Amino acid sequence: GDSVTQMEGPVTLSEEAFLTINCTYTATGYPSLFWYVQYPGEGLQLLLKATKADDKGSNKGFEATYRKETTSFHLEKGSVQVSDSAVYFCALTPWAGANSKLTFGKGITLSVRP
Amino acid sequence: DTGVSQNPRHKITKRGQNVTFRCDPISEHNRLYWYRQTLGQGPEFLTYFQNEAQLEKSRLLSDRFSAERPKGSFSTLEIQRTEQGDSAMYLCASSFLGTEGSDTQYFGPGTRLTVL
Repeated sequence: GDSVTQMEGPVTLSEEAFLTINCTYTATGYPSLFWYVQYPGEGLQLLLKATKADDKGSNKGFEATYRKETTSFHLEKGSVQVSDSAVYFCALTPWAGANSKLTFGKGITLSVRP
Repeated sequence: DTGVSQNPRHKITKRGQNVTFRCDPISEHNRLYWYRQTLGQGPEFLTYFQNEAQLEKSRLLSDRFSAERPKGSFSTLEIQRTEQGDSAMYLCASSFLGTEGSDTQYFGPGTRLTVL
């Protein structure tokens, strides 16, 4: 079945550091890929998405590129802020037209110190 | 657009009791999903509806769990004879499936269930 693997955490960075959070997936066909973020005390929010190979999703300074050849969707940000401290989940849905249930990775906690 | 709402936000119950949660999706969203999230894990799919029809149930959803979406709007998730292992955050999400064949899910704040 479909699965998502995220790098082990937690991750602690200093403000303005470069961020990379790795995500790889296993799926049949052409899944859509997502990053969701969960800020402390809040619900899951969609951060960005990409629906086909080589697409780049971007939002709030975060970017991720859909790499079919490496089955990856790594999240990057050039300069993190304290306000980026949250739990980040990589997720996929199966090919368009199928049941769009999300399969999530375990999530990774990011802490950014001033 | 008020977003997805869930009630109650917290529920504490004793083992063996029945509980019911409600989810109100974003208006005009035709799909509604339920997920369960335990500490340190990502959410796991439980079931989903397209309009009022329940189209898929996960094997995680035992016979003690039942979900409804009677008029294709709000949904309820009931757990009968709760067990301590049911303690988790129950998340609802909604989406609109259009003609392009893909949809994006928007999540509610969740209902945290604690079974004593």
